[in-house]
Amino acid sequence: DQQVKQNSPSLSVQEGRISILNCDYTNSMFDYFLWYKKYPAEGPTFLISISSIKDKNEDGRFTVFLNKSAKHLSLHIVPSQPGDSAVYFCAASRTASKLTFGTGTRLQVTL
Amino acid sequence: EAGVTQFPSHSVIEKGQTVTLRCDPISGHDNLYWYRRVMGKEIKFLLHFVKESKQDESGMPNNRFLAERTGGTYSTLKVQPAELEDSGVYFCASSQGGWGSPLHFGNGTRLTVT
Repeated sequence: DQQVKQNSPSLSVQEGRISILNCDYTNSMFDYFLWYKKYPAEGPTFLISISSIKDKNEDGRFTVFLNKSAKHLSLHIVPSQPGDSAVYFCAASRTASKLTFGTGTRLQVTL
Repeated sequence: EAGVTQFPSHSVIEKGQTVTLRCDPISGHDNLYWYRRVMGKEIKFLLHFVKESKQDESGMPNNRFLAERTGGTYSTLKVQPAELEDSGVYFCASSQGGWGSPLHFGNGTRLTVT
């Protein structure tokens, strides 16, 4: 039973354009959501988070949107840069406990 | 500040052998987690320590896996005896704890059981 789903295994975007990565969850008890970025042979690196009391959080080029009624969140990267090419994991938790991860979306930013 | 370090980075063992993975969390982080990623799938939770106590071990697949964190500092994860399906990347993460405190991951140990 996968509680966090990333239905797009890969995404290709041109440099300078917007990248939109999507994530759906099924557990309505989740109250904290995060995005992690992972390069090959490295561990996931924390990128940005959002609590369930908000619907948007922005940090530089990265914005996370949360739609609780749809149990959906998305990560927007604008403008996309070649260094953004990585695997992006969506994760969710209840009351700051263990994280439940999605399967990841591989983003390729092309020149 | 040193990050989370894991040793070894790679391990190749035969089915039936024993392997011990080590994790050194960020200094001062009471919370330590083990996760595993198998065959490019999702990163799955194994267990959570708060200092030396096991807070949640609901993700441990079976009794062939044993995690310890003596003294509340570094942690070890032993697999004995290893099976083919144990192959994957084992990640350790630590955090200061509390709501909103993100996990900091190590680079993982890639375990291959042949």
